[in-house]
Amino acid sequence: GENVEQHPSTLSVQEGDSAVIKCTYSDSASNYFPWYKQELGKGPQLIIDIRSNVGEKKDQRIAVTLNKTAKHFSLHITETQPEDSAVYFCAARDYGNNRLAFGKGNQVVVIP
Amino acid sequence: DGGITQSPKYLFRKEGQNVTLSCEQNLNHDAMYWYRQDPGQGLRLIYYSQIVNDFQKGDIAEGYSVSREKKESFPLTVTSAQKNPTAFYLCASSIRDRFVQAYGYTFGSGTRLTVV
Repeated sequence: GENVEQHPSTLSVQEGDSAVIKCTYSDSASNYFPWYKQELGKGPQLIIDIRSNVGEKKDQRIAVTLNKTAKHFSLHITETQPEDSAVYFCAARDYGNNRLAFGKGNQVVVIP
Repeated sequence: DGGITQSPKYLFRKEGQNVTLSCEQNLNHDAMYWYRQDPGQGLRLIYYSQIVNDFQKGDIAEGYSVSREKKESFPLTVTSAQKNPTAFYLCASSIRDRFVQAYGYTFGSGTRLTVV
């Protein structure tokens, strides 16, 4: 099945700087890659997703890039703000069982 | 507004007791999932269901049971056989598409279960 890995596990950035989280996946047949944000004590919320026929997608301060050849995708957050502090999960669709395989999550801390 | 509702938000269980966590969705999603999250850990799949009256074990099903009698509901029972049940439990749902298109999951707000 699909295996998704996230790096780094914790990321601290100064407010206003950019944050980048990278995920790698193992199954070249995977075709859907969502990112979730989880605030403390809450459920994960979908913030952006990308399909395999697209290389990049932007939504205001967040963007996701996909490199199918290298089998990795990244979340980019620009002009970080304290409210961006959260755990971010990446996922990839496991084509074999049609479920999402999740990474272990990244703790992002934005320092005011 | 459509959404997915988990209840209760906090639940306390005595050792040896079974407890049931509720998950209800009005998104008309076919598939529903239960995950367990421990502090600083990722999401571990307990059970999932892709259609009414059918469900499959995930990676950590031992000590848990589920039912899917209605499309909208997927309750999780934590039995006394689960030796370390204290955790944050998340329910999710999604469109079930057999073809190329894939969709993300919608998560509930979670239930925090504590054994006392």
